[in-house]
Amino acid sequence: KQEVTQIPAALSVPEGENLVLNCSFTDSAIYNLQWFRQDPGKGLTSLLLIQSSQREQTSGRLNASLDKSSGRSTLYIAASQPGDSATYLCAVMGGANNLFFGTGTRLTVIP
Amino acid sequence: GAGVSQSPSNKVTEKGKDVELRCDPISGHTALYWYRQSLGQGLEFLIYFQGNSAPDKSGLPSDRFSAERTGGSVSTLTIQRTQQEDSAVYLCASSSRLAGGDEQFFGPGTRLTVL
Repeated sequence: KQEVTQIPAALSVPEGENLVLNCSFTDSAIYNLQWFRQDPGKGLTSLLLIQSSQREQTSGRLNASLDKSSGRSTLYIAASQPGDSATYLCAVMGGANNLFFGTGTRLTVIP
Repeated sequence: GAGVSQSPSNKVTEKGKDVELRCDPISGHTALYWYRQSLGQGLEFLIYFQGNSAPDKSGLPSDRFSAERTGGSVSTLTIQRTQQEDSAVYLCASSSRLAGGDEQFFGPGTRLTVL
């Protein structure tokens, strides 16, 4: 069974810093990997989707990379802002018709 | 445009009662998923619908859980004889094509509390 791990579990940074969130998965046979953010008491907002054939995706201040062979992905956030404070979830889709989620990284950006 | 909607947003019920949770996917999306987010356990897959195909029920935790999707659109997740361990946030997601290619878009969830 696919297992997805996210490190660190929590992270606090001062405003303006660049930061990297890590995601690893045990089964490299994936179709895609998706990064989400979740605000307290809210649903999930999709940030970036990387297909298995891609190496990275960018959206604004966010850049996600994928190294399928090593089972790793990173989410890079540039020039962090207090509004970036949320829990960030990594999820992979394999042969089954569903996403396997990590337990998330809780990010706090301090003004 | 309209996103995925879910109702109710909150549901409190007594142990042993049945509950129904509703999901309206994004118009035109053929794939619909239900997930559960329990405190301290993360998100887990429950069931997947794709068009008119038989649903993938492999994630349902017990036979008290069932789901249907009428007319390829709205879906209802039913939990019979609720137990306290069923307390969680139930999230619905939809995507536009067959699994494996597309981004999943999530609704706001239904928070279920079983007393």
